Amino acid sequence: DGGITQSPKYLFRKEGQNVTLSCEQNLNHDAMYWYRQDPGQGLRLIYYSQIVNDFQKGDIAEGYSVSREKKESFPLTVTSAQKNPTAFYLCASSIGGSRGTQYFGPGTRLTVL
Amino acid sequence: SQQGEEDPQALSIQEGENATMNCSYKTSINNLQWYRQNSGRGLVHLILIRSNEREKHSGRLRVTLDTSKKSSSLLITASRAADTASYFCATDPNQAGTALIFGKGTTLSVSS
Repeated sequence: DGGITQSPKYLFRKEGQNVTLSCEQNLNHDAMYWYRQDPGQGLRLIYYSQIVNDFQKGDIAEGYSVSREKKESFPLTVTSAQKNPTAFYLCASSIGGSRGTQYFGPGTRLTVL
Repeated sequence: SQQGEEDPQALSIQEGENATMNCSYKTSINNLQWYRQNSGRGLVHLILIRSNEREKHSGRLRVTLDTSKKSSSLLITASRAADTASYFCATDPNQAGTALIFGKGTTLSVSS
């Protein structure tokens, strides 16, 4: 059963804590992406990676960090430096670069208490 | 970065009617894609149209692209209640090393 998974579905964090969101894909895609979505808004790119051990900042990378040690995994850490982290986080992957279709995971809703 | 802009922001129609939503963008593109998002879920790819294409069909979906006006439209014919969702356009800029740019979406509500 191929696809892209995100966990957990819901996540609660206290202010000042770092938290890591998981994203795994078994589609053998080279590229992976993290987006943030606020209510009634579109998607804003946080980070993307086109190949293992390489990633680039998106439009709103401040307060976030990522790693790409394996092709199938692209975890996102929301650090305490992110001032307004409450949002819906979406992970996506594509076969190569951004030229084609992106396949999205179900999302993680992060709430800061 | 420059986003696509969907219009209208929200659209309410009856089942059986057609729904048209528009997307405008600012830079030259390789392709334009439309995605659908049900409430609280991930996005699902609907259709991709390349910059050298003018129209594309997929089932009840029809997409047009006018690169001279930097605009695209998505038509859903014979809408169903299950079409209720948000629809986003995403542009693939004609620039190396860039990622898709998503618009803010059109929220479609189809009532039975």
